[in-house]
Amino acid sequence: ETGVTQTPRHLVMGMTNKKSLKCEQHLGHNAMYWYKQSAKKPLELMFVYNFKEQTENNSVPSRFSPECPNSSHLFLHLHTLQPEDSALYLCASSPLSGATDTQYFGPGTRLTVL
Amino acid sequence: GQQLNQSPQSMFIQEGEDVSMNCTSSSIFNTWLWYKQEPGEGPVLLIALYKAGELTSNGRLTAQFGITRKDSFLNISASIPSDVGIYFCAGQTGANSKLTFGKGITLSVRP
Repeated sequence: ETGVTQTPRHLVMGMTNKKSLKCEQHLGHNAMYWYKQSAKKPLELMFVYNFKEQTENNSVPSRFSPECPNSSHLFLHLHTLQPEDSALYLCASSPLSGATDTQYFGPGTRLTVL
Repeated sequence: GQQLNQSPQSMFIQEGEDVSMNCTSSSIFNTWLWYKQEPGEGPVLLIALYKAGELTSNGRLTAQFGITRKDSFLNISASIPSDVGIYFCAGQTGANSKLTFGKGITLSVRP
């Protein structure tokens, strides 16, 4: 248990579906992150939120839409995805983005787009 | 941009053996982190290093922050089957910079 939970753990969706991924952290952190993990590639940072404000969007396509209602919760809304978007989506949190940034990860959501 | 190099991609060792893996870069880093990821799970932080030359242990794991600040090493002693997984290094070049991750090394331990 890292203090970061993600739901669902597995998701299969068609290209026309709309779904959302949820992340919750119980560590009292102020920064939250979405990463994409594909086979044989380094982790790809997607979005960063500090104190609920988005501070980084790493050129992510608009079919991925993040939402951070408070410092403990982070969502990733998905719509009209492509098969190449199939991957493990990881949420992480840290005390504060920047400085010495020790991030703690959730278990991930394994997404398959048909 | 910064890149972290981890090689080889896979390592196979016998239970009880020690193993060492390193992470190198052409850039200077101020923070080095080592994570382990097991199948179906997210990366779990093993050791964090914040100072050049720092040597830190966590049970059978020992990691070092290279003196040049361009590399870091992770050693696992007396390996056991549950050490299997993917070991990632990550680094931060300075305050307010993003974490950069290596591609990871997949460790297999033969009983």
